[in-house]
Amino acid sequence: QKEVEQNSGPLSVPEGAIASLNCTYSDRGSQSFFWYRQYSGKSPELIMFIYSNGDKEDGRFTAQLNKASQYVSLLIRDSQPSDSATYLCAVKRTALIFGKGTTLSVSS
Amino acid sequence: EAQVTQNPRYLITVTGKKLTVTCSQNMNHEYMSWYRQDPGLGLRQIYYSMNVEVTDKGDVPEGYKVSRKEKRNFPLILESPSPNQTSLYFCASIPGQGVYEQYFGPGTRLTVT
Repeated sequence: QKEVEQNSGPLSVPEGAIASLNCTYSDRGSQSFFWYRQYSGKSPELIMFIYSNGDKEDGRFTAQLNKASQYVSLLIRDSQPSDSATYLCAVKRTALIFGKGTTLSVSS
Repeated sequence: EAQVTQNPRYLITVTGKKLTVTCSQNMNHEYMSWYRQDPGLGLRQIYYSMNVEVTDKGDVPEGYKVSRKEKRNFPLILESPSPNQTSLYFCASIPGQGVYEQYFGPGTRLTVT
């Protein structure tokens, strides 16, 4: 089992909809979880981090963590075409272990 | 401006010709790391350094060397590049243990023919 798994997509949603991105991880001892956004040819940029079970909201973004199910998700409300990018889930051990990313396409 | 810089941004080279990709950060961060990113494989860590003179292997260290003689610099060395090292490389830094945000450099696109 891969350490961090994401559906590669593409995930296509219309403008204004909620985009739901999912990630599972294998190391039950993982403590910190991150979502990065990466535009094509650019470097990843941190959107959110979460380390407690439950929800964490920041503007249009909500990260959800369920450690019992080893599952972390990112919800993007009121999706905009500018949200079209690849979203990387990462889990912190000594370093960050990244998933392969989910490509999101928001159509106007 | 706080940043991580990499040079060169683009490089085309030939098999076996030694090269160095430089990485520098101006934030006095302790932790620095190198990743490569390949289609379908995602970001994979090559080497990391937790402080000056302290380096360790990541997931894909074969064919690479690093050094950390100064806190701000963390060069990536390919002694004898091969075509399978054609990739997009990112350097990153973190202030220290327990700090969450990782700052990425702009990336270096390397092609080895």
